[in-house]
Amino acid sequence: TQLLEQSPQFLSIQEGENLTVYCNSSSVFSSLQWYRQEPGEGPVLLVTVVTGGEVKKLKRLTFQFGDARKDSSLHITAAQPGDTGLYLCAGDLTGGYNKLIFGAGTRLAVHP
Amino acid sequence: EAQVTQNPRYLITVTGKKLTVTCSQNMNHEYMSWYRQDPGLGLRQIYYSMNVEVTDKGDVPEGYKVSRKEKRNFPLILESPSPNQTSLYFCASSSLRTGGVIYGYTFGSGTRLTVV
Repeated sequence: TQLLEQSPQFLSIQEGENLTVYCNSSSVFSSLQWYRQEPGEGPVLLVTVVTGGEVKKLKRLTFQFGDARKDSSLHITAAQPGDTGLYLCAGDLTGGYNKLIFGAGTRLAVHP
Repeated sequence: EAQVTQNPRYLITVTGKKLTVTCSQNMNHEYMSWYRQDPGLGLRQIYYSMNVEVTDKGDVPEGYKVSRKEKRNFPLILESPSPNQTSLYFCASSSLRTGGVIYGYTFGSGTRLTVV
């Protein structure tokens, strides 16, 4: 059972388009993170959100944590080819599980 | 520069020959963890450590060992590697916030292991 469902699984768009990636769960998280990974490299942390309803912006990327801390979204405005990569969400479950749960990832391709 | 350093980056070995993948972090992080990443299976946690001398199994610990004798180092040991351990391995570390909340990983660059 996948505790963190990411959608869509694949996304292929043209440069300049906007997109949103979703990360959903029935579980509550103490923190939720978004990472971007390029082939053969380790994931790189983009943002951590910890407060329900929190919105964080990183240039053209906007991250939102759901009010109930069960879901999150990543919105990219005016995508560029440099945004291409695998986007992963990961959450730290409440209750002292001492581990991050990773989603399966969204593979984004932005074409010039 | 804050980083997690893994070595080696690439390794080809034969079945049964013991090997160690080293991991070191320079951020004074309490939490360290090992993951393997396989196509279609995503990132799966092997072992983790909340602090020195405190380690615990993740989701796929069979065939692996770890130790945490110093805060900065968290080596992964394969006592008798088998072909099904061929994978891309990542070490990661994180600070812990109030209540033991994992705030966000810094990952190493990865070790691509092939067992023949």
